[in-house]
Amino acid sequence: DTAVSQTPKYLVTQMGNDKSIKCEQNLGHDTMYWYKQDSKKFLKIMFSYNNKELIINETVPNRFSPKSPDKAHLNLHINSLELGDSAVYFCASSQGTGTSAETQYFGPGTRLLVL
Amino acid sequence: AQSVTQLDSQVPVFEEAPVELRCNYSSSVSVYLFWYVQYPNQGLQLLLKYLSGSTLVKGINGFEAEFNKSQTSFHLRKPSVHISDTAEYFCAVSETNFGNEKLTFGTGTRLTIIP
Repeated sequence: DTAVSQTPKYLVTQMGNDKSIKCEQNLGHDTMYWYKQDSKKFLKIMFSYNNKELIINETVPNRFSPKSPDKAHLNLHINSLELGDSAVYFCASSQGTGTSAETQYFGPGTRLLVL
Repeated sequence: AQSVTQLDSQVPVFEEAPVELRCNYSSSVSVYLFWYVQYPNQGLQLLLKYLSGSTLVKGINGFEAEFNKSQTSFHLRKPSVHISDTAEYFCAVSETNFGNEKLTFGTGTRLTIIP
């Protein structure tokens, strides 16, 4: 019944490693997002995809690469992890084309700790 | 570019007392306004949103917010809080103009209900 799900829930890894976070939504939505929430709870958008096409690409290091194999999935791959990448990463989805009025539905988050 | 200021990082309130969480925004164009709630270790969920029309917006769990264009505010209120309202509350803004549809969040207000 989970609407937006993310795996893994927790991720602890060493600096320099490469890791992926997966996101799936079963709401039939067309747009998906990745957000980063830092230790001060500040939430900032990283990417959004509509029907597998990139719409928003904020100023994010190119070590971060989103991939959308279909409109129900948006994965986040991170190369060469750094200490500053430690954060909670949230996936979200919305029904339409990603317009600013849409309600976004968030997943439970992936807590990434880079040692 | 739009921005959001949540003036209080923490608000302690006694159970059954009223509460107001403050939010001010800045934008050069018309905006949509949102309040999201994040319960401990969960993702965000929408409480309410203002798109147009009546400036008083009612949301879930007994919350309401009032859009005040002259004061560029969108404060969240509840007449009587419950222990279960303990959470982090985020105000967010998006611009109505095409081409800048991202949601910008405030830094959050932690609401703690005292029994």
